[in-house]
Amino acid sequence: AQTVTQSQPEMSVQEAETVTLSCTYDTSESNYYLFWYKQPPSRQMILVIRQEAYKQQNATENRFSVNFQKAAKSFSLKISDSQLGDTAMYFCAFANAGKSTFGDGTTLTVKP
Amino acid sequence: DAMVIQNPRYQVTQFGKPVTLSCSQTLNHNVMYWYQQKSSQAPKLLFHYYDKDFNNEADTPDNFQSRRPNTSFCFLDIRSPGLGDAAMYLCATSRVGAGGETQYFGPGTRLLVL
Repeated sequence: AQTVTQSQPEMSVQEAETVTLSCTYDTSESNYYLFWYKQPPSRQMILVIRQEAYKQQNATENRFSVNFQKAAKSFSLKISDSQLGDTAMYFCAFANAGKSTFGDGTTLTVKP
Repeated sequence: DAMVIQNPRYQVTQFGKPVTLSCSQTLNHNVMYWYQQKSSQAPKLLFHYYDKDFNNEADTPDNFQSRRPNTSFCFLDIRSPGLGDAAMYLCATSRVGAGGETQYFGPGTRLLVL
């Protein structure tokens, strides 16, 4: 069974600054996917970024990027130029062959 | 637009009165998930279907059942809702294989038990 751990229940950042959210996981699988999902107060869960485990290159999506360290089983999310709309709960998640595991989430508040 | 649809968005039921929540998708994804999410907590996976194969999480109460009559639809049945079952229920879909297993979520059904 796989586990996903997010050690930061809450974080805050000033608008326009950079923040990094941490995630570690444990699995015996060699092929899998890692995700960061965002859930704003509206509760609609949406994908932020996805990383395939077989790719060494870190995924990037505009202001969002990850630091994927496969050997250390670490998958952190960096948000650059934080915006007020980034305020949300962020979940790190693992998936493999339809099996899904979510971390407990990090509540991020962007302050003006 | 292709999407994941959940009905109803809000459901009020009485203690012990069976309730059914529905989910439909136009994405033609082969996996469908049901999650229970309580306020400020992570989604808790109840079960998922990989095509027709049903996968029940070990700690999902027997009170919760699911049906997937075809690729597009999936139902969550709560046989005798208790006060502790009040929560947001999220349906999600993904495609194992070419889809990269990204999950697409519906807007959720908020269940209130009186």
